[in-house]
Amino acid sequence: EPEVTQTPSHQVTQMGQEVILRCVPISNHLYFYWYRQILGQKVEFLVSFYNNEISEKSEIFDDQFSVERPDGSNFTLKIRSTKLEDSAMYFCAMTYQETQYFGPGTRLLVL
Amino acid sequence: GDSVTQMEGPVTLSEEAFLTINCTYTATGYPSLFWYVQYPGEGLQLLLKATKADDKGSNKGFEATYRKETTSFHLEKGSVQVSDSAVYFCALSDAQGGSEKLVFGKGTKLTVNP
Repeated sequence: EPEVTQTPSHQVTQMGQEVILRCVPISNHLYFYWYRQILGQKVEFLVSFYNNEISEKSEIFDDQFSVERPDGSNFTLKIRSTKLEDSAMYFCAMTYQETQYFGPGTRLLVL
Repeated sequence: GDSVTQMEGPVTLSEEAFLTINCTYTATGYPSLFWYVQYPGEGLQLLLKATKADDKGSNKGFEATYRKETTSFHLEKGSVQVSDSAVYFCALSDAQGGSEKLVFGKGTKLTVNP
């Protein structure tokens, strides 16, 4: 089973600040995803990223969000100006043999 | 659009009891179906999956059968253990929607008491 790591595990930030969440797959894959889970709620799809391009994004993924793979390995989610409602657990996932495997998540708290 | 409906929790059982968590789905194409488990303080782990009608996924004593006629993928386990206490998410992936994003149900929290 492929392993996905995420950094940081926890992040606390002030409203209006920019945050960058990072995802590092152990092996080389092309398909990546970001999801978020607000405390006590279901997991929601944010964006999928294939071959260095966004292939699909949800309504949640507005202009304050962006994704990129800056160095061919790390996969990042940037939130430009955080809001209180961005507080959530953010999961990175990658596809391997038609199944998505998730990282352990980054817990983001916006104050 | 695609959606997944799970039975509302929480579910509390005694050790060795039988478990069923109901899951039904709505999809435009022919989705793959998954159960993910989230243990306290951890991320999502794949529990089992089924990719076509009548397939049965199984793992760690859990089973679920892809029923196209009833659009269901109910999770079952014959004898639960305390270590099975977690939140269980049913999900589907429908590649016809573009990317193979997962659509999740709301999750069902299971507590197993000794």
